[in-house]
Amino acid sequence: DTAVSQTPKYLVTQMGNDKSIKCEQNLGHDTMYWYKQDSKKFLKIMFSYNNKELIINETVPNRFSPKSPDKAHLNLHINSLELGDSAVYFCASSQGLGDSNSPLHFGNGTRLTVT
Amino acid sequence: GDSVTQMEGPVTLSEEAFLTINCTYTATGYPSLFWYVQYPGEGLQLLLKATKADDKGSNKGFEATYRKETTSFHLEKGSVQVSDSAVYFCALSDQGGGSYIPTFGRGTSLIVHP
Repeated sequence: DTAVSQTPKYLVTQMGNDKSIKCEQNLGHDTMYWYKQDSKKFLKIMFSYNNKELIINETVPNRFSPKSPDKAHLNLHINSLELGDSAVYFCASSQGLGDSNSPLHFGNGTRLTVT
Repeated sequence: GDSVTQMEGPVTLSEEAFLTINCTYTATGYPSLFWYVQYPGEGLQLLLKATKADDKGSNKGFEATYRKETTSFHLEKGSVQVSDSAVYFCALSDQGGGSYIPTFGRGTSLIVHP
């Protein structure tokens, strides 16, 4: 009955590598997000998709490329990983862009460690 | 733009103590307000919400009242337990300003000792 699931849970890799994180939601939501959480727990929005279309693209290096094959999936691909990319990445979903009353549903996070 | 300010942590309490975590906000429109909780190793989950002025959200003994006059949404619990140890995030969602980005505070860590 998992609502928002992301894989892998842990990802350890070396600088310069390319990696992907997958996210799927079974809530029927229209909007999905990627957030980055740093070591001080600060959450920063990276991207948001609504019905497979990119809505929000905050100041994120273009090494980060989201892809939404359908509205239930939002994957994150990262090229040429750097030490500063080490963080926990959270996928989230919500009912729809036009519904400010709708809370976000988060996955359990992917802890990325770049060595 | 919209913003959320929470008190810095960590907040350290003994079991059964009273908890208050302050949260104030600025918003262009008329936002909905949320508290989320993040337990160690997990994602954020909704704790409670309020969608209009004077609404009180409540869940698991936690409460917060939407105060438009003071632009605040403070989280309270009368008697905390060790299991409440977590990071708490205040957040808002505001359509009125044309922003589609849910805005989060920086989080407040709560540590409850037996």
